[in-house]
Amino acid sequence: DTGVSQDPRHKITKRGQNVTFRCDPISEHNRLYWYRQTLGQGPEFLTYFQNEAQLEKSRLLSDRFSAERPKGSFSTLEIQRTEQGDSAMYLCASSLDGDNQPQHFGDGTRLSIL
Amino acid sequence: AQSVTQLGSHVSVSEGALVLLRCNYSSSVPPYLFWYVQYPNQGLQLLLKYTTGATLVKGINGFEAEFKKSETSFPLTKPSAHMSDAAEYFCAVIGNTGGFKTIFGAGTRLFVKA
Repeated sequence: DTGVSQDPRHKITKRGQNVTFRCDPISEHNRLYWYRQTLGQGPEFLTYFQNEAQLEKSRLLSDRFSAERPKGSFSTLEIQRTEQGDSAMYLCASSLDGDNQPQHFGDGTRLSIL
Repeated sequence: AQSVTQLGSHVSVSEGALVLLRCNYSSSVPPYLFWYVQYPNQGLQLLLKYTTGATLVKGINGFEAEFKKSETSFPLTKPSAHMSDAAEYFCAVIGNTGGFKTIFGAGTRLFVKA
């Protein structure tokens, strides 16, 4: 079990630029989740994949956000035309099937918009 | 719909003292409940979970929690605090209706005084 891996750990970019984050889940986990966490808050759900299928997107996920998991393994989260309000920690988690299965989190990607 | 309220954004205890972190949940169906811990600049780590069965669940690092259905609460306790317990703690709920969306509380930061 190598854990959930996220890359990069930190990203600093200018407003208006596009950014892409990568998440590598635990290999046998077929569920993958993206969350956003701002200072002093718990993680907020963004989107969820069951294998390669994106089954749910939060209303927090505007049309500037897109996520993919093309082969049911790693996932990418892209933010286009970044805004100041996008500054946050973006967390990825994975789990086995079953709603009682705990999610295993990566260390996150901290995005700072200048 | 599910929701989670963590009472107290900050809790301070002395080393060796009892740790008690409060969590109240709202769920229209029997919930699955989780406690996670987050250290600075890291992702969330599962402490313990309640799904079914025994209402007192034991987790890692000496923590335990009790599912109190009548009070809709899931308090986290540890008999004797250690300096290494200083971190942010999150309570989370999933409604076991086949949904997948985990709702997190806003977190409680635990300070441990020497």
